[in-house]
Amino acid sequence: AQSVTQLGSHVSVSEGALVLLRCNYSSSVPPYLFWYVQYPNQGLQLLLKYTTGATLVKGINGFEAEFKKSETSFHLTKPSAHMSDAAEYFCAVRTTGGGNKLTFGTGTQLKVEL
Amino acid sequence: DGGITQSPKYLFRKEGQNVTLSCEQNLNHDAMYWYRQDPGQGLRLIYYSQIVNDFQKGDIAEGYSVSREKKESFPLTVTSAQKNPTAFYLCASAPTASYGYTFGSGTRLTVV
Repeated sequence: AQSVTQLGSHVSVSEGALVLLRCNYSSSVPPYLFWYVQYPNQGLQLLLKYTTGATLVKGINGFEAEFKKSETSFHLTKPSAHMSDAAEYFCAVRTTGGGNKLTFGTGTQLKVEL
Repeated sequence: DGGITQSPKYLFRKEGQNVTLSCEQNLNHDAMYWYRQDPGQGLRLIYYSQIVNDFQKGDIAEGYSVSREKKESFPLTVTSAQKNPTAFYLCASAPTASYGYTFGSGTRLTVV
């Protein structure tokens, strides 16, 4: 079965600092991986996705993630945090067995401080 | 503009009552999904549907029911059998051949 683990339920950074949110996956097949962002009382918005091809994936709002098969990781980064980046971030993996189902991690709450 | 509409945004119900959450999309997506979100637990799949008049149980289907009579609509009923229904419910849709979801803005259900 496919699963993802997000390390750190809360991450705090200073404005302008590097953002690094960690995600490790477990998959018996080549994974399709996703990062979503959620603002309070809102739905989730897709930041980026990896299916096949280039392992460095660029997304919206200056975020990017690198698929590292050897480390079973798909960490999300942004060079310089902005106050508007404060939100909850979810990593997800597509589940096998049909239906295009996604299994989500438990989320990482990002706080950006002045 | 295309999107997914969930209504209402907030819903309060008494314990023992069934309640139906609405989800409508105008994206012409074939597949639709219902997830439940609880603090610290991420999102858990309740039901999904890949085509009209067909749907499958997800990981936590007990106490819930759905229908898919139209491509655009995928309502979720939270029945009195659901032991802990207070949660944030999210509906999503996707084209069959795609690998990412579009989410609605959610319904926060509180049962008192």
